[in-house]
Amino acid sequence: GAGVSQSPRYKVAKRGQDVALRCDPISGHVSLFWYQQALGQGPEFLTYFQNEAQLDKSGLPSDRFFAERPEGSVSTLKIQRTQQEDSAVYLCASSLDLVRAQAGYTFGSGTRLTVV
Amino acid sequence: DQQVKQNSPSLSVQEGRISILNCDYTNSMFDYFLWYKKYPAEGPTFLISISSIKDKNEDGRFTVFLNKSAKHLSLHIVPSQPGDSAVYFCAASVTNAGKSTFGDGTTLTVKP
Repeated sequence: GAGVSQSPRYKVAKRGQDVALRCDPISGHVSLFWYQQALGQGPEFLTYFQNEAQLDKSGLPSDRFFAERPEGSVSTLKIQRTQQEDSAVYLCASSLDLVRAQAGYTFGSGTRLTVV
Repeated sequence: DQQVKQNSPSLSVQEGRISILNCDYTNSMFDYFLWYKKYPAEGPTFLISISSIKDKNEDGRFTVFLNKSAKHLSLHIVPSQPGDSAVYFCAASVTNAGKSTFGDGTTLTVKP
């Protein structure tokens, strides 16, 4: 597609509910990144993929967070047993490859998750 | 410990004047630095970057300066336009590490 597409744009979850956030990167982009942005803060790294391989998941805050990219294109970020502190905007970004990621990603518009 | 800091949460300038946004970092391993611009309800958009082997990079109205000894970079916008009003994020990365570390942003308001 023309840009990075994320769905849903907004998600309200009850505490304890599981959620799944989807990211469609730009076609042909090998590198895919997930970031979490809390209100008033900058994006914080969660995890990244090179094709289907998850090369770094050091930013995932707990084992309730899980990401996958099984066919090297669409990615899903899953949060189990959501808690209020999970409320944030979840941003997905993609890049042609890791080298070009250093020259800037293309971000999606994000999914705003509110846990009530 | 925040490795990338933008100490000014907001900046207001008059249209046509220069906007200077600042960023400090602590990790000497960072060797690539980027600026992103973000409008409300949108994701950040890449603006300009600089490698640590350079001290200046220019793209139209935007210039980024890097002072490695001071671990400081700045973004200059000349002349500033009302459409430049947005949140600006500074980010830093290590070659081939993949991830970027972001500051908390500076909200720029350019008044007509």
